Amino acid sequence: GQQVMQIPQYQHVQEGEDFTTYCNSSTTLSNIQWYKQRPGGHPVFLIQLVKSGEVKKQKRLTFQFGEAKKNSSLHITATQTTDVGTYFCAGLNSGGSNYKLTFGKGTLLTVNP
Amino acid sequence: KAGVTQTPRYLIKTRGQQVTLSCSPISGHRSVSWYQQTPGQGLQFLFEYFSETQRNKGNFPGRFSGRQFSNSRSEMNVSTLELGDSALYLCASSYYRVEETQYFGPGTRLLVL
Repeated sequence: GQQVMQIPQYQHVQEGEDFTTYCNSSTTLSNIQWYKQRPGGHPVFLIQLVKSGEVKKQKRLTFQFGEAKKNSSLHITATQTTDVGTYFCAGLNSGGSNYKLTFGKGTLLTVNP
Repeated sequence: KAGVTQTPRYLIKTRGQQVTLSCSPISGHRSVSWYQQTPGQGLQFLFEYFSETQRNKGNFPGRFSGRQFSNSRSEMNVSTLELGDSALYLCASSYYRVEETQYFGPGTRLLVL
């Protein structure tokens, strides 16, 4: 079945440093979504990427979808303590009728003030 | 609009018992998905309901079941609980499809002793 791998599993940074998490799928994706889960909270939708090579920005966050639609990345510039949490990618499988989101295991980001 | 609500928020059960969890989606949302979240396995898709019909199913044993009512509210049931069923159970709703933004509820934390 479809697998979505996410690295790194953990990342600790000093406030102001950049952060990147990578997501790789074993199959071509229709789209990819990114979510953030604060400690003790629930996943909150950040963004969806659909097109091959797509790049989207939200303030200090930059999201990319690979040309082959099998990988994606989230980059945070100049991290802040409010960025703390686990970032998940979720890939939607391409083709067929059995659509479901497959989540990566997430990257836990901690920020030292 | 009110967000996704889940009840109960916390639950303690013993092995062999069964449990029913409830999810009320955002008003107007007709697709409800259930996920199991554990530290080791991350977020795993259980099933998705739309218009009272199970549309997609993940790779979980038959002990896990669900249903959806005409008002889109959904329940999931786990029978013959095992220790490994201890997890955070999250439901998420969207208007029609999983390809859309998933709005997660706060989850039900289940502990099986």
